[in-house]
Amino acid sequence: QVQLVESGGGVVQPGRSLRLSCAASGFRFSSYGMHWVRQAPGKGLEWVAVTSSDGSDKYYADSVKGRFTISRDNSKNTLYLQMNSLRPEDTAVYYCAKESTVTNAFDYWGQGTLVTVSS
Amino acid sequence: QSALTQPASVSGSPGQSITISCTGTSSDVGGYDYVSWYQQHPGKAPKLMIYEVRNRPSGVSNRFSGSKSGNTASLTISGLQAEDEADYYCSSFTSSYTRYVFGTGTKVTVL
Repeated sequence: QVQLVESGGGVVQPGRSLRLSCAASGFRFSSYGMHWVRQAPGKGLEWVAVTSSDGSDKYYADSVKGRFTISRDNSKNTLYLQMNSLRPEDTAVYYCAKESTVTNAFDYWGQGTLVTVSS
Repeated sequence: QSALTQPASVSGSPGQSITISCTGTSSDVGGYDYVSWYQQHPGKAPKLMIYEVRNRPSGVSNRFSGSKSGNTASLTISGLQAEDEADYYCSSFTSSYTRYVFGTGTKVTVL
């Protein structure tokens, strides 16, 4: 069965960096686009970034462009999100999500990892 | 890219039907049939309920249905049950360079 397990969250000071990981199993990781979606405490879902199956195409939300970098290692079945210059408004649960090919929907989600940006 | 607009809350009694709207623009909802809907219970990850406007993934109850007219998509839950009480989000592919957008979210309450 498909499993997505995020890790790397924690408490970090404003301006610092953090890298999230998402370990995938149960499907051919290298064949699917992968996304990061976040949810601030008590707020709605916000799409963050996507990488194509081979990592050649990447897109970002305006709110993180220039600060966050999405990447993947298909040999390790792992998705990453490098977050630099973190701000308090980046505080959220970060989910990785698998993209359903053709339908552009997020068909599987991880359980999420909490990032808290605070001094 | 602004979030798609959803009503903040919708409520209904058990057995009734409710409809949640999701309004965007011709650059997202109106321009593509890539609208999907997600259910999220408190403290849980979102779950895909509808994809490509009206299709249900395997295992999702046929009480959930989707449609679209112009720039507005809709999710209808028929035969409302207590377990349907949750937050619901729409999402759409967009021609914007950001590629994807979510709705503002709707809290469904079963009275």
